[in-house]
Amino acid sequence: SQTIHQWPATLVQPVGSPLSLECTVEGTSNPNLYWYRQAAGRGLQLLFYSVGIGQISSEVPQNLSASRPQDRQFILSSKKLLLSDSGFYLCAWTMKTETYGYTFGSGTRLTVV
Amino acid sequence: GQNIDQPTEMTATEGAIVQINCTYQTSGFNGLFWYQQHAGEAPTFLSYNVLDGLEEKGRFSSFLSRSKGYSYLLLKELQMKDSASYLCAVKDSNYQLIWGAGTKLIIKP
Repeated sequence: SQTIHQWPATLVQPVGSPLSLECTVEGTSNPNLYWYRQAAGRGLQLLFYSVGIGQISSEVPQNLSASRPQDRQFILSSKKLLLSDSGFYLCAWTMKTETYGYTFGSGTRLTVV
Repeated sequence: GQNIDQPTEMTATEGAIVQINCTYQTSGFNGLFWYQQHAGEAPTFLSYNVLDGLEEKGRFSSFLSRSKGYSYLLLKELQMKDSASYLCAVKDSNYQLIWGAGTKLIIKP
C-alpha cells in the first residue's frame, strides 16, 4: 500500500532563517506531487506541483521554492522566511489517472516568529 | 475563472441529518471529491462522483448533478466526531484539483 511521509510535524523558525520541508511517498512510482499551504481557518492554497523529477510548476510567486530530486521525494524550501510564511503546509500525491483523488501527508505547522 | 462555492459554516444536532452543498464553475470536469478535515489535521478522502446521481457509503452520501454544477454531501445519524471541515474539490480539464474553502460543521449535543 502507498504511504506518504512528511516532516517535521511542527516548526518554529525566526524571520530570515532558511526552511526545508521534506515529503516522501512509498509504494508507488511516478506520482504527481503537491505542496499546499493552509492559513488558519482558510482553504487550501496550491503552492507547487510536480509531474516528474526536476519538473516543478509554481502557482504562487513568493519566496518559497520546491524541488523534486528523486521520483518520490518533494522538498519545499526558503532562503529567508517571512512572518507571512506561517501556516499549515501539506504535501499530497496522486496517481496520474482520472479517478484518483489526492492523499495528504500529516502536515507541518510552521510558525515564523 | 474557476470557482467552487460552499457555505462557510453549518450547525447541526447530534443524531440528525445535515446536507452540505457545493456549486462549481470550472474549466472542464473530471470528477468531484469530498474531503473531511478535523482541526489541525490533514484532509482525508470521503467520496468521489464523476457521474450524475447518488453515491452512498455508510452514514455519508454524495450527490452530483453535472448539468447544474452542483453536489451535496449528506451526513446521517450525526456524531460528535463528525465536527470537522468538509472540503469540496473538482478535477478540471487538466486533472488538477480545484478546492472550495470548506464548510465548518459544528455538531451540538
